[in-house]
Formats: sequence, structure tokens, C-alpha cells
Amino acid sequence: GENVEQHPSTLSVQEGDSAVIKCTYSDSASNYFPWYKQELGKRPQLIIDIRSNVGEKKDQRIAVTLNKTAKHFSLHITETQPEDSAVYFCAASPASNFGNEKLTFGTGTRLTIIP
Amino acid sequence: DAMVIQNPRYQVTQFGKPVTLSCSQTLNHNVMYWYQQKSSQAPKLLFHYYDKDFNNEADTPDNFQSRRPNTSFCFLDIRSPGLGDAAMYLCATSREENSYEQYFGPGTRLTVT
Repeated sequence: GENVEQHPSTLSVQEGDSAVIKCTYSDSASNYFPWYKQELGKRPQLIIDIRSNVGEKKDQRIAVTLNKTAKHFSLHITETQPEDSAVYFCAASPASNFGNEKLTFGTGTRLTIIP
Repeated sequence: DAMVIQNPRYQVTQFGKPVTLSCSQTLNHNVMYWYQQKSSQAPKLLFHYYDKDFNNEADTPDNFQSRRPNTSFCFLDIRSPGLGDAAMYLCATSREENSYEQYFGPGTRLTVT
């Protein structure tokens, strides 16, 4: 089965600086890579995702890059703000025509933005 | 306008006393998932339904069961909760075709005394 590793487990950055979180996966059949943000005591929420037919995707201050050859993908947050403080989970999923894709989550990164 | 609803938000049960957690959705999604999340850990998939088709994870204990009586509702039954079952239980849904995003409910925090 799929194995997803995520680093670092904790990350502290000064407000306004950039944050980068990296994940690697093992199953070459995986082709969908979402990132979820979970604030303390709240539900995980999708913030950005990428499919294997693209190498990079941006949404305002957030970007994700994917290297299928190396089996790794990364989350980049620029101009960090205090409200970016949360736990971030990467995940990977194989393609399926049945709509029952299963996500394998990374172990999470606790991001703290220092004002 | 809540899309995935979980009840109750907090549940306290006694060791060995059966408990049922509830999830409902207004998205009309075919797929519903149950995850267990312990403190500072990633969500761990217990099982999921694709429509009425039940898919159990290999390492999900027999103590955990699920029912999906219709598209909107899904239940998690813990037959004999142990102290190690104390966790946040998250329900999620996803649409059928060409849509991978999972929508999570707010979770039920289970305490076992």
C-alpha cells in the first residue's frame, strides 16, 4: 500500500516569511495529492490539491509542486500570516474510476507563525 | 448550510459500553468515510462506503462496525469501547466521479471513562 512521509513535523517561521513542507510517497500509481489544513479542534479542510498531469499549482499565497519522478511534492506558503498557524497534512491517492479513492495521509506538520 | 454533520460533538461513554456516532450529509455524495484521529496524529481510515458497498480497512478492529441505511446517513458503532478508543472520530464524504476532494465533518470527540 501507499506510504506517505512528511517533514518537518514542526515548523516555526516569522510572520511574512515563507514556509515549505515536504512529502514523499511510495506508490507510483498515486496521482492525486491534496493538502489539508487543520486548526486546533476543527475539521481538516482542503486548501490546495494537485494532480499528476501538472507540476505546479498556485492559489494566492499557497503553491504546491509535484515531482513524479522523485515521488515528492511540497507545499509553499508565502507572506505567512498568524492565521496560517495550524497543522498541515499532505495526502496521496491513486486514480480510480469508481469514485472511492482512499487518501493516505502524511503525519502532519505543526506550523507556527511568530508575530 | 452545514454539509457534513456529526452528532454528538462530544460523547462520553464507559469502558465496555456500546456507543454509536452519527454522520449525515447534505451533499448527496456517494462515498462516506470514517476516520479515527488521535492527538497530534494524522486521520486513520477505519472504513468507507461507496454507495452501499462497505470497504473495511485491514487493520480496523472488529470492535468497530458501521451502518449506512441511506445515502445521507452513516453510523459508527463501537461495540465495547476501550480506553485506547478515546479519540476524535471524523466523518468525510466525496463525490462519485472525477472528484477526489473529501469534505470532513466537525468530528465527534469520544471520551472513555
